[in-house]
Amino acid sequence: AQSVTQPDIHITVSEGASLELRCNYSYGATPYLFWYVQSPGQGLQLLLKYFSGDTLVQGIKGFEAEFKRSQSSFNLRKPSVHWSDAAEYFCAVGVLPGGGADGLTFGKGTHLIIQP
Amino acid sequence: DGGITQSPKYLFRKEGQNVTLSCEQNLNHDAMYWYRQDPGQGLRLIYYSQIVNDFQKGDIAEGYSVSREKKESFPLTVTSAQKNPTAFYLCASSIGSPNQPQHFGDGTRLSIL
Repeated sequence: AQSVTQPDIHITVSEGASLELRCNYSYGATPYLFWYVQSPGQGLQLLLKYFSGDTLVQGIKGFEAEFKRSQSSFNLRKPSVHWSDAAEYFCAVGVLPGGGADGLTFGKGTHLIIQP
Repeated sequence: DGGITQSPKYLFRKEGQNVTLSCEQNLNHDAMYWYRQDPGQGLRLIYYSQIVNDFQKGDIAEGYSVSREKKESFPLTVTSAQKNPTAFYLCASSIGSPNQPQHFGDGTRLSIL
């Protein structure tokens, strides 16, 4: 079974500083990888996704992520954070078609705090 | 605008009572999902449905039931057998392929009176 690890439960970043959120996955083949963001009391919004091809993917709100097969990682980055980026961030992995559309496996999330 | 509507936003349950959470989508998606979110636990899959009249148990299906009589609707019933139902419940839908992202509703927060 696949699994996702987000090593940082909380991260505090100053406004205007760069950001990197870590995500490691465990899966036997090339996974489908996603980053979602959640504001308090809200649903999840998709930031970006990786399926194949270019390992650096661009998303919404100025976010990008890089897939590194050798490290089983899919870290999320942003060059300059804004106060509105404060939220919970989830990394998720989807299985290959052989398993059907049976949902995503999520990491436990990283809570991002922005300091003024 | 197309999207997923969950209702109600807040729900309270008495001990021994069943409650049903509504999820409706107008995205014409084949697949629908229910997740449970607890603080510090991320999201865990309760049930999913790939087509009408078919659904599968996820990782934590005990104490829950679902139905999929229409493509647009995937209600979740939290039964009295679920001993710790207090949580944030999220419904999602997708085209049905794992390389397609899931779209989420705004959630229902269930609490025990």
